Amino acid sequence: DQQVKQNSPSLSVQEGRISILNCDYTNSMFDYFLWYKKYPAEGPTFLISISSIKDKNEDGRFTVFLNKSAKHLSLHIVPSQPGDSAVYFCAASGLAGGSQGNLIFGKGTKLSVKP
Amino acid sequence: DAGVIQSPRHEVTEMGQEVTLRCKPISGHNSLFWYRQTMMRGLELLIYFNNNVPIDDSGMPEDRFSAKMPNASFSTLKIQPSEPRDSAVYFCASSFGFYYGYTFGSGTRLTVV
Repeated sequence: DQQVKQNSPSLSVQEGRISILNCDYTNSMFDYFLWYKKYPAEGPTFLISISSIKDKNEDGRFTVFLNKSAKHLSLHIVPSQPGDSAVYFCAASGLAGGSQGNLIFGKGTKLSVKP
Repeated sequence: DAGVIQSPRHEVTEMGQEVTLRCKPISGHNSLFWYRQTMMRGLELLIYFNNNVPIDDSGMPEDRFSAKMPNASFSTLKIQPSEPRDSAVYFCASSFGFYYGYTFGSGTRLTVV
């Protein structure tokens, strides 16, 4: 059973608009969440993270929002650029993940930003 | 730093053959992770090491899979015998302290025919 779910396998957005990528989790003990970006033929690269003590973290064009009561987080990219086209993975961890230090990944959402 | 280095980048092998994937983590990182990516299951953790000691291997699919970390700068993931369903991209990642996130290698694309 998947503990981290990204229900949208793909998303297409026009350049300059906002991209919103969603992620849901089932384990209420997760206390740290990360987003990774992956280009073809490369490994995932860390993008942004958020601790469960916060509900928002911002880094330039990227903002992650966390709604603990809904067990939901989202990544906002504003404005979207063609170079943002990639697969985005949501990841979570916490003591209840089974082993501390173990990141549980979602299946990813492929974002396409069209010029 | 050259980052996490994985070899080979691509491996094509026949069913039944032994396959060994290699990983050199970032110097100074004390945790190393092996992940497998497939379309169906996404990124799955196979095994992870902390200070060269295997901590959790519950993700290793079968006894055909084994992993070692003989020292802080090298790890291997071995599949013996390989099967077509093992075809996937295998990633190695390392970290220092969990909350700084992982640094991934570029992966090894394994094809078993």
